[in-house]
Amino acid sequence: AQTVTQSQPEMSVQEAETVTLSCTYDTSESNYYLFWYKQPPSRQMILVIRQEAYKQQNATENRFSVNFQKAAKSFSLKISDSQLGDTAMYFCAFSGSQGNLIFGKGTKLSVKP
Amino acid sequence: DAGVIQSPRHEVTEMGQEVTLRCKPISGHNSLFWYRQTMMRGLELLIYFNNNVPIDDSGMPEDRFSAKMPNASFSTLKIQPSEPRDSAVYFCASRGPTIAKNIQYFGAGTRLSVL
Repeated sequence: AQTVTQSQPEMSVQEAETVTLSCTYDTSESNYYLFWYKQPPSRQMILVIRQEAYKQQNATENRFSVNFQKAAKSFSLKISDSQLGDTAMYFCAFSGSQGNLIFGKGTKLSVKP
Repeated sequence: DAGVIQSPRHEVTEMGQEVTLRCKPISGHNSLFWYRQTMMRGLELLIYFNNNVPIDDSGMPEDRFSAKMPNASFSTLKIQPSEPRDSAVYFCASRGPTIAKNIQYFGAGTRLSVL
């Protein structure tokens, strides 16, 4: 069975600085997708970034980028130039052949002014 | 595009009552997922449908839970009878037919409180 582990329950960062959230996963599948979702206090689940396992190039979306290490089964999220609006829970998620999302427990990120 | 629409946003009920949560997926999407979020267990899949057919309901906790998708634009999750341990946020998500993207879009969730 697939599992997703986020080892940092909480993190904080100063506004305008860079922070990296960690995620590891376990799977025997070779084709899969990895995601980072953001959940602000409004509780809406918002897709931040997506990575296809067969692509070696790391995904980027503006200030958000990932470090995808397939052999190590690691998928970290880097947020550059942190903004107050980045304060939220961040969930790492895996999607394989079954199609559903398997989530980590989340990391609560606080951006401080 | 209106996104995934869930109703109600909040539901407070008493133990033993029937609860029905509703979801309207994004038009054109053919997969629909129900997730539950609790502090103890995090986000977990309850059931998902593909082309209105239930594919995997292994996450449904017990017979008190049932889900239907009578057509491509509507799904319900019913709990009967409800219990305090069912208190959680319930999310519906939908996904389009383009497998290459494989992105699920979430509704705003229903916060259920069973007293």
